[in-house]
Amino acid sequence: ETGVTQSPTHLIKTRGQQVTLRCSSQSGHNTVSWYQQALGQGPQFIFQYYREEENGRGNFPPRFSGLQFPNYSSELNVNALELDDSALYLCASRRTGGPYEQYFGPGTRLTVT
Amino acid sequence: SQKIEQNSEALNIQEGKTATLTCNYTNYSPAYLQWYRQDPGRGPVFLLLIRENEKEKRKERLKVTFDTTLKQSLFHITASQPADSATYLCALGNSGGGADGLTFGKGTHLIIQP
Repeated sequence: ETGVTQSPTHLIKTRGQQVTLRCSSQSGHNTVSWYQQALGQGPQFIFQYYREEENGRGNFPPRFSGLQFPNYSSELNVNALELDDSALYLCASRRTGGPYEQYFGPGTRLTVT
Repeated sequence: SQKIEQNSEALNIQEGKTATLTCNYTNYSPAYLQWYRQDPGRGPVFLLLIRENEKEKRKERLKVTFDTTLKQSLFHITASQPADSATYLCALGNSGGGADGLTFGKGTHLIIQP
C-alpha cells in the first residue's frame, strides 16, 4: 500500500451535477497528478499540480479543475457531469524533478446516471 | 497521434515459466518508460523505470528492456507465480519534470496458472 489516500471510495451522481474528489499525497511528495481510468482502459492524465499551481494538463475540458493545498493534498472538481465521466479517478503523488515513479492511491469510483 | 499498444488478449502462462509482455509505441519519443501492476479495483503500483539511454533494467524476478529504434519495451517475469496474476500497464513519459503526465497503454491481463 502507498501512503496516498483518496476519498470517497465510491460516489454516484446525476448528470449535470458537480463533484469534488479528495487526495492526500504521500509524505515528502510535493507533486500531485490526477488520472481518469475508464473500464478496460489505461489511466488518462488529467492534470498535475506543483506548489499549488497547475503546471501540466492533458486533453480534458475546463470543467475539470483542481486545487492543491499547502500540505500538498489536492482536490479534483468536475462540473456539469456527463455520463462519460463515469470512471475510476486516480490520484498520484511523486517527488518533483526527474522521472520519479508515481505513487497511486486506491481511486474513487464515480458513477454518473 | 501518440499510440501505445500492449497485448490486447489475456496472457496465460504456466506457473514457473517466464512471462513476457510487450509494449509498442508510435508517434512518440519518450524520455523514459515505466511499468506498473494493477489489481482489480486498486490503483497501479510502480514496478520498474527505464530511461531512453538504458537497454535493460532488472529487479528481483523482473526484467525490462527498452529499444528506442524498434519503439518497443519487453517486460519479463521469471519463475512466475499465481500471485503475479494482474494487469500490467506500460507508461511513457517525456522529460521536463513530468508536467505532461504519463501516457499509459490499456494494459495486459496476465494469468499465471498453477
